[in-house]
Amino acid sequence: DVKVTQSSRYLVKRTGEKVFLECVQDMDHENMFWYRQDPGLGLRLIYFSYDVKMKEKGDIPEGYSVSREKKERFSLILESASTNQTSMYLCASNRHLEAFFGQGTRLTVV
Amino acid sequence: TQLLEQSPQFLSIQEGENLTVYCNSSSVFSSLQWYRQEPGEGPVLLVTVVTGGEVKKLKRLTFQFGDARKDSSLHITAAQPGDTGLYLCAALSGSARQLTFGSGTQLTVLP
Repeated sequence: DVKVTQSSRYLVKRTGEKVFLECVQDMDHENMFWYRQDPGLGLRLIYFSYDVKMKEKGDIPEGYSVSREKKERFSLILESASTNQTSMYLCASNRHLEAFFGQGTRLTVV
Repeated sequence: TQLLEQSPQFLSIQEGENLTVYCNSSSVFSSLQWYRQEPGEGPVLLVTVVTGGEVKKLKRLTFQFGDARKDSSLHITAAQPGDTGLYLCAALSGSARQLTFGSGTQLTVLP
């Protein structure tokens, strides 16, 4: 069974903390994505990567950075968490048309 | 970035009714996908359409891709409570690397 695994289902962090969200896929996919999901706004693309050490900004990259040191792992970094980054974060990977998603990390910044 | 508009945003219907949700854009899509997301889970792919005018059926779900490849619809016949979920359309950019999603239609089917 193909799998995208996000390291945490729920996280609570304080304003100003540096936050790492980890994502691992076991399908040898080239492309990996980070989205955030907020009610009424659908999934908004933060960053994506199509190869190791390669990254591209999505639609809302401000306040975030990413790291892709290995093909199977794509990390999302909140340099200094703020309350407006409270959201559901979804990681996905694909090679061709179908994207496979992790179960999401619900991050609350207090 | 292609802007995908979905309608309606919310839909609540009785079991057995039919429904249609829509996905529209001013841009031409190279392909379009429909996903369904259940609470606490990530979206799961239902179908991909790639040809203008294409119709695909998945049991009680019928997906249509517009002739001009700018819009798509999802029709559910005789909806069941198990169809409840968030339905999302998504489109690939010209480079086929960036996957952009619409805002979703939250469907509730009442028993």
